Amino acid sequence: EADIYQTPRYLVIGTGKKITLECSQTMGHDKMYWYQQDPGMELHLIHYSYGVNSTEKGDLSSESTVSRIRTEHFPLTLESARPSHTSQYLCASSEYQAGRQETQYFGPGTRLLVL
Amino acid sequence: GNSVTQMEGPVTLSEEAFLTINCTYTATGYPSLFWYVQYPGEGLQLLLKATKADDKGSNKGFEATYRKETTSFHLEKGSVQVSDSAVYFCALSAISGGYNKLIFGAGTRLAVHP
Repeated sequence: EADIYQTPRYLVIGTGKKITLECSQTMGHDKMYWYQQDPGMELHLIHYSYGVNSTEKGDLSSESTVSRIRTEHFPLTLESARPSHTSQYLCASSEYQAGRQETQYFGPGTRLLVL
Repeated sequence: GNSVTQMEGPVTLSEEAFLTINCTYTATGYPSLFWYVQYPGEGLQLLLKATKADDKGSNKGFEATYRKETTSFHLEKGSVQVSDSAVYFCALSAISGGYNKLIFGAGTRLAVHP
């Protein structure tokens, strides 16, 4: 059973506000990920991290930023929310395994609505 | 490149019916294959996985076999329940650009009626 948490679960906010979506995992995983899921269900990787002080852009360009100051914590920030940011955001983590494919475990997601 | 194709939904079944959701993949090397399930309003849960050819992943009555010769990983369940209603994602894990990347199919929505 994976122990990965996201808060808030739901967020309704006005345009121009700054928001931070929290993600924490208690498994000691080195790698963490943020996905954006559109209403058509498709998942897009927007950020990932190999470990502390490591952050990389994913496949889908995003105006959000991330930080990784502690192993267990990988928050995502939007400096100025817009309606186009309305989506579900999923956080995931995996344990580094040299030369082997890894299994990603997902949090429950944050559903964001920007008015 | 690496890609995953799964059957389009929605799939609508009666309770106790047999389920198959097709998934085929294109990959270089030797990927691991996964099925994730997403219940309404929730994140993705790992349902099962297989790491090499001919491996069978199984969990909660669901099964899928890694078929390298047909590049497939079809999900099956012998008797579905209403509680199985969810979206199912097939995925492969591959090394790309130096990092371990998870590539998803588009998802298949399953609706099971009593």
